[in-house]
Amino acid sequence: DIQMTQSPSSLSASVGDRVTITCRASQTIATYLNWYQQKPGKAPKLLIYAASSLQSGVPSRFSGSGSGADFTLTINSLQSEDFATYYCQQGYGKPLTFGQGTKVEIK
Amino acid sequence: EVQLVESGGGLVQPGGSLRLSCSASGFSFSSYGMHWVRQAPGKGLEHISLMSSNGGSTYYADSVKGRFTISRDNSKNTLYLQMSSLRPEDTAVYYCVKDRTYLYDTFDYWGQGTLVTVSS
Repeated sequence: DIQMTQSPSSLSASVGDRVTITCRASQTIATYLNWYQQKPGKAPKLLIYAASSLQSGVPSRFSGSGSGADFTLTINSLQSEDFATYYCQQGYGKPLTFGQGTKVEIK
Repeated sequence: EVQLVESGGGLVQPGGSLRLSCSASGFSFSSYGMHWVRQAPGKGLEHISLMSSNGGSTYYADSVKGRFTISRDNSKNTLYLQMSSLRPEDTAVYYCVKDRTYLYDTFDYWGQGTLVTVSS
């Protein structure tokens, strides 16, 4: 199985900050990497697919980069509605696996 | 607007069975692969099953293989998950999820989830 490791597990940030979350795969996965946002009590929402493509309707302050085994989700100018847990997910091989999540909290 | 509405969750005893349903609307259901993803209370996300658009191909995670069966009725725009031999560790919110393309690797729309609790 491909293991996905996110860092950090949690972070505190202020509105307006730039936030970076990293995701590392246990093997190369090309750009088969997606990012999701989940708010408490809600279903996850797709933000970024194929490592860097912005899902329709997602604000442009979200961006993704990387290929191979190392990936980054960046949130420019953090907004109040962005406080949530973020998950990466690899689509390279079965089982499809997720990172453990990164909780973004208000400082 | 894409909508996925799960139903069928509830409390079941260990060893029992349950069938989840997912009613889909707002897209051409028969054209897309569909998945079930679950989330144990306070835990992360686990992909447990997928079915191809025409139902000809399925996948199960090792954790549910032999106990869960995914199926779909394209005439009713409905996805199912038959769960048997349930264990306490199957307790989770179960999400019905649409695949973004034919590659079966990206989850672009999620239902609201249905809670399954396995306990005596």
